[in-house]
Amino acid sequence: EDKVVQSPLSLVVHEGDTVTLNCSYEVTNFRSLLWYKQEKKAPTFLFMLTSSGIEKKSGRLSSILDKKELFSILNITATQTGDSAVYLCAVQNTGTASKLTFGTGTRLQVTL
Amino acid sequence: SAVISQKPSRDICQRGTSLTIQCQVDSQVTMMFWYRQQPGQSLTLIATANQGSEATYESGFVIDKFPISRPNLTFSTLTVSNMSPEDSSIYLCSVLVWGKGANEQYFGPGTRLTVT
Repeated sequence: EDKVVQSPLSLVVHEGDTVTLNCSYEVTNFRSLLWYKQEKKAPTFLFMLTSSGIEKKSGRLSSILDKKELFSILNITATQTGDSAVYLCAVQNTGTASKLTFGTGTRLQVTL
Repeated sequence: SAVISQKPSRDICQRGTSLTIQCQVDSQVTMMFWYRQQPGQSLTLIATANQGSEATYESGFVIDKFPISRPNLTFSTLTVSNMSPEDSSIYLCSVLVWGKGANEQYFGPGTRLTVT
């Protein structure tokens, strides 16, 4: 059974800080790892990672995958209060269903 | 990407009743998924809904409780039947879109269901 573990479970930082969120996984027949931001109900897609060592970047957010050590990190620099959310990591296998297995998420709170 | 809408956005229902949630996508997609997110929990896949075939349910979910329709490539419904308070959750539909050489998965805005 595929498994995703995220750490920390929650985090409180001050605006302007840099944070690193962790995601480790166990999956048979790995296809990709995805990061989402969930503020209210709907998770918003951030990144999809398929190859090791290639950083994906979008503004102040970046992410990288290590397929040998089976983990990924999501970095947020110069955090803002609008970054407060639950960040979800999910893995997708190569099965025909292409279903996602989610971690429990990291709840990030950015304070002034 | 894909633009996904869900109806209703929220509802409060009495136990024993059923609720049907609709999911509409702005483009044709082969694979649609229904997820549940119970309070304080992460997302759990209920079933995969492909057009033209029966939905495939994950362990712990059955068709009698969560019947799904997929009449075409842009629309699906999930019914939560004979509801109990344990069914109080956010229900999310999701679609798989081929983008930039790989499959990306996008979510609808969700339906927040409270069963009293």
